[in-house]
Amino acid sequence: AQSVTQLDSQVPVFEEAPVELRCNYSSSVSVYLFWYVQYPNQGLQLLLKYLSGSTLVKGINGFEAEFNKSQTSFHLRKPSVHISDTAEYFCAVKPGGYQKVTFGTGTKLQVIP
Amino acid sequence: DTGVSQNPRHKITKRGQNVTFRCDPISEHNRLYWYRQTLGQGPEFLTYFQNEAQLEKSRLLSDRFSAERPKGSFSTLEIQRTEQGDSAMYLCASSLAGEYTEAFFGQGTRLTVV
Repeated sequence: AQSVTQLDSQVPVFEEAPVELRCNYSSSVSVYLFWYVQYPNQGLQLLLKYLSGSTLVKGINGFEAEFNKSQTSFHLRKPSVHISDTAEYFCAVKPGGYQKVTFGTGTKLQVIP
Repeated sequence: DTGVSQNPRHKITKRGQNVTFRCDPISEHNRLYWYRQTLGQGPEFLTYFQNEAQLEKSRLLSDRFSAERPKGSFSTLEIQRTEQGDSAMYLCASSLAGEYTEAFFGQGTRLTVV
């Protein structure tokens, strides 16, 4: 079984400041890792994914994440946030060969003007 | 491209009633997924179809829940004898086949059981 932990339920940050949203996972098998974003009244949208290869992955809207196998982490970062980044962010894992995606509980990013 | 469409967007029902939700995936997508999201939680996997075949089911999908995708296009999720604990957002997603291809989510159907 897989599990995903997002320790921060809410993260307030000032506009143009950097941000890091933390994600840790556990799994007995190798997994693929994802970050999704959910804007108010909209569906989930894929931000970025790690399948294999380089541990630093870049996504849309200037976000990036780094896969750390030894720490079982996949933290999301952005060097300078904008008001439009205010949303809820979900980390997720999927074991190879299966379609079930396990999501974390989400982190609400609030960008303060 | 109309994306993944879910109907209705909101449903209020009395406890004990049956409800049915519909999901229309992106037209060329042969995989379809159902998730449930309760307040303060991330989406929880319920089931997935490849074409008309239901290939994975979560133990969350009790015998009161049934999902179908009869012609490999749209899908329905039915909940019989609804309980207050069924109140949640029900999300549908679709994707192309492959080891990993991006799943596109609909806006969901919010169910309130009173």
